[in-house]
Amino acid sequence: ETGVTQSPTHLIKTRGQQVTLRCSSQSGHNTVSWYQQALGQGPQFIFQYYREEENGRGNFPPRFSGLQFPNYSSELNVNALELDDSALYLCASSQDREETQYFGPGTRLLVL
Amino acid sequence: DQQVKQNSPSLSVQEGRISILNCDYTNSMFDYFLWYKKYPAEGPTFLISISSIKDKNEDGRFTVFLNKSAKHLSLHIVPSQPGDSAVYFCAGENTGNQFYFGTGTSLTVIP
Repeated sequence: ETGVTQSPTHLIKTRGQQVTLRCSSQSGHNTVSWYQQALGQGPQFIFQYYREEENGRGNFPPRFSGLQFPNYSSELNVNALELDDSALYLCASSQDREETQYFGPGTRLLVL
Repeated sequence: DQQVKQNSPSLSVQEGRISILNCDYTNSMFDYFLWYKKYPAEGPTFLISISSIKDKNEDGRFTVFLNKSAKHLSLHIVPSQPGDSAVYFCAGENTGNQFYFGTGTSLTVIP
C-alpha cells in the first residue's frame, strides 16, 4: 500500500508568482484535503476534493484553487503569492470522505 | 477564528506515567474529533477519533474522552513511552467536511 506523497518537498518563490503543488493520494483513496500550516500553528483547512469535485472549503481567498484528477491525485494552485503564504502545505487522503485522513510529508513553500 | 484550542503548548511526563493532553472547542456542530501525532519533518499521523455521540473511545494505550457540555476533549496515554514524544494535534470535523486543528501540544516523555 503506497502512502500519500507530495512534490516538491521544498520550493522558493517570489511575491506575485504562481505555484502548483502536487499530491498523490494513498492507494484506494478518493478524497483529498489540503492544509496550510504556518510556523507554530496547527494545520488550517484549505479545501477538500471528493471524486474530482470540491467538497468543502475553508476560509481561504479564491487565489487558492485546486484540482483532483481521475486517478484521485490532486493539485493545489496559489496565484499572486504573498509573503504570508510561506508555510508547510499538507495534503491528506481518505476514503469516501471518512474522517480518518492520512497525511503526506508536506511541501514547504517560502515566498520572498 | 480559532474553533479548536490547545492551551498547553508543551507537556513533560515521566516514562510509565499517564499523559493527558487537553483540547477545547467552540463549534457545537463538529461531528467527529480526531487526534494526530506529528514527528519533525513528517506529516501528521492519525491516532484516534471519537464521534460526537460518544463520550469515550479507547485504542490500546490511547483513550479519548469527550465532554460535550464543557466542549472539551482529552487524550490519555497510559503508560507513556519515550516514543510517544511528538507534537499532538486535536481536530474537529463539521458536517460540511471542514476540519479545524488546534495549535498542538508538544509532549516529551522522559525515560
